[in-house]
Amino acid sequence: EAQVTQNPRYLITVTGKKLTVTCSQNMNHEYMSWYRQDPGLGLRQIYYSMNVEVTDKGDVPEGYKVSRKEKRNFPLILESPSPNQTSLYFCASSPLGNQPQHFGDGTRLSIL
Amino acid sequence: GENVEQHPSTLSVQEGDSAVIKCTYSDSASNYFPWYKQELGKRPQLIIDIRSNVGEKKDQRIAVTLNKTAKHFSLHITETQPEDSAVYFCAAIARGVSGGGNKLTFGTGTQLKVEL
Repeated sequence: EAQVTQNPRYLITVTGKKLTVTCSQNMNHEYMSWYRQDPGLGLRQIYYSMNVEVTDKGDVPEGYKVSRKEKRNFPLILESPSPNQTSLYFCASSPLGNQPQHFGDGTRLSIL
Repeated sequence: GENVEQHPSTLSVQEGDSAVIKCTYSDSASNYFPWYKQELGKRPQLIIDIRSNVGEKKDQRIAVTLNKTAKHFSLHITETQPEDSAVYFCAAIARGVSGGGNKLTFGTGTQLKVEL
């Protein structure tokens, strides 16, 4: 089954404790992306990747890191999480950037 | 960078009526405009998209129109049904920070409620 898999689905953690949210797709898509969703603000792109080893900033990249060492994986790293990063995060992929995005089920992060 | 504005933020219609959601964008280089539907607690899912070389696209009860000159595009849902109740997001693809790539900017969403 074609899918985008995020882990974990839920996480409660504390300020400053490094965390990684993994994202994997099995559709051989070139483009992968991370978004955060906050009430009243819609979906905001954090980082995206056009291909392996090619990443670029979205609208809200501060406080986040990404890497694209393999085509199927695109982890989101929070080196020193802060409470303002409490949010619902979605990973998505598509064959190319200007094509429909396939979203994962989301990861709800709470940073205390 | 790209700025996408979406209106209204909430929309309530009677079952069977039409619903229209409007978006404007700022980057004239934007060339791809998808619409996503997100049901409560679920992931966003594409319902229709349009490219800059097309003025209108239709898929059953859903249609999207694009006016490149005015930089706005709209979602039209006819004969609304209760299962159309959800949050709808418009989006636009534009150049990335580095000048290349495809950066996707979303509108802030419209909560559509279809009442019986």
